[in-house]
Amino acid sequence: QVQLVQSGAEVKKPGASVKVSCKASGYTFTDYYIHWVRQAPGQGLEWMGWINANSGGTKYAQKFQGRVTVTRDTSISTAYMELSRLKSDDTAMYFCAKYGSGSYDYWGQGTLVTVSS
Amino acid sequence: IVLTQSPDTLALSPGERATLSCRASQSVSSSYLAWYQQKPGQAPRLLIYGASSRATGIPDRFSGSGSGTDFTLSISRLEPEDFAVYYCQQFGSSLLTFGGGTKVEIK
Repeated sequence: QVQLVQSGAEVKKPGASVKVSCKASGYTFTDYYIHWVRQAPGQGLEWMGWINANSGGTKYAQKFQGRVTVTRDTSISTAYMELSRLKSDDTAMYFCAKYGSGSYDYWGQGTLVTVSS
Repeated sequence: IVLTQSPDTLALSPGERATLSCRASQSVSSSYLAWYQQKPGQAPRLLIYGASSRATGIPDRFSGSGSGTDFTLSISRLEPEDFAVYYCQQFGSSLLTFGGGTKVEIK
């Protein structure tokens, strides 16, 4: 069965960077895009960007341009999201999701990133 | 494209019908309009894709409709497990946006 398993919770100081991983299984990793979505406490869903797992091509939301980098390692079917210059309002749950048929059909369990001095 | 969901909160009783609205600031391809359900502490779950197709395992009390700029998610008879937050989402021009969500709560 399809699974996306994310890395564990992180606590970072303002100005630092965080890198979250998303390991895929149960399907051909390079056949689909992986997207990253975040959710601040008590807030809605916010799209951050995607990676074409085959070509490595990426697209980011304007809000995160210059601060987010999404990569992948096809040898281990894993995507990564790195967010730099962290601020307190980057405290959120970060999700990866498999994109297919115009929607997210599978989601990771989420990774809580807390930014605090 | 901005997606505006209404109402923000819908207070209903089990067994009642729920109608949720998602309005886009410009026309959206129906192929790229989806609805999700999210419960506290969980990742969102895909309900509807392509504006009207139910995802695998989704009960037929959930239905989606609409085109252009106006889309609707309907739940014919609310079950206790349906009380949650619902989001619409669109993908166009390589960019993706979510609506702000509608919370369906028990009256």
